[in-house]
Amino acid sequence: EDQVTQSPEALRLQEGESSSLNCSYTVSGLRGLFWYRQDPGKGPEFLFTLYSAGEEKEKERLKATLTKKESFLHITAPKPEDSATYLCAVQAAGSNYQLIWGAGTKLIIKP
Amino acid sequence: DSGVTQTPKHLITATGQRVTLRCSPRSGDLSVYWYQQSLDQGLQFLIQYYNGEERAKGNILERFSAQQFPDLHSELNLSSLELGDSALYFCASSVGASGAMNTEAFFGQGTRLTVV
Repeated sequence: EDQVTQSPEALRLQEGESSSLNCSYTVSGLRGLFWYRQDPGKGPEFLFTLYSAGEEKEKERLKATLTKKESFLHITAPKPEDSATYLCAVQAAGSNYQLIWGAGTKLIIKP
Repeated sequence: DSGVTQTPKHLITATGQRVTLRCSPRSGDLSVYWYQQSLDQGLQFLIQYYNGEERAKGNILERFSAQQFPDLHSELNLSSLELGDSALYFCASSVGASGAMNTEAFFGQGTRLTVV
């Protein structure tokens, strides 16, 4: 069965303290891995798509990487406005290409 | 602003009632997806339409139904509402159908449904 697991469930950091969020997946026929950011009561906001192992993408303080088993979302020198829940989703042939979502990592950046 | 518009933003209704949620996708997007997100729960995929036709079904209850109209807007109908149906309902749209490249989905701001 296709699965996506995100860790940790929650992460508290001081402003400026860099860290990484993990998204591990077990799927057959990976087509793409997506990262989204969700603020409370709002719709998820698209961040990145990664298609193949070794691929990296960056946006401001965020950098997403992909291996054959997992993806990391690295956040460098975060600011309080980076606080949000970060969601990972996988699109795979085994699930008829429907997105399989992780439960998310709630990131809190303290000033 | 994602370009996806959902109405209404908030809805309060009584148990047993029926409501309709509306979604206008981004210009040019042919796929519309509906998701449910309960308090502290993950996103639950309900249903997808592509260019007017049902494309995929997720965990959608029989009391729920959806359709996509020729102008590509979509409606989600929820009937015989129960307290447990209280949740955020999101619509998302993408250019292609599932399985196609560049199918990043863009989400609306959601409709918060409260059943009392």
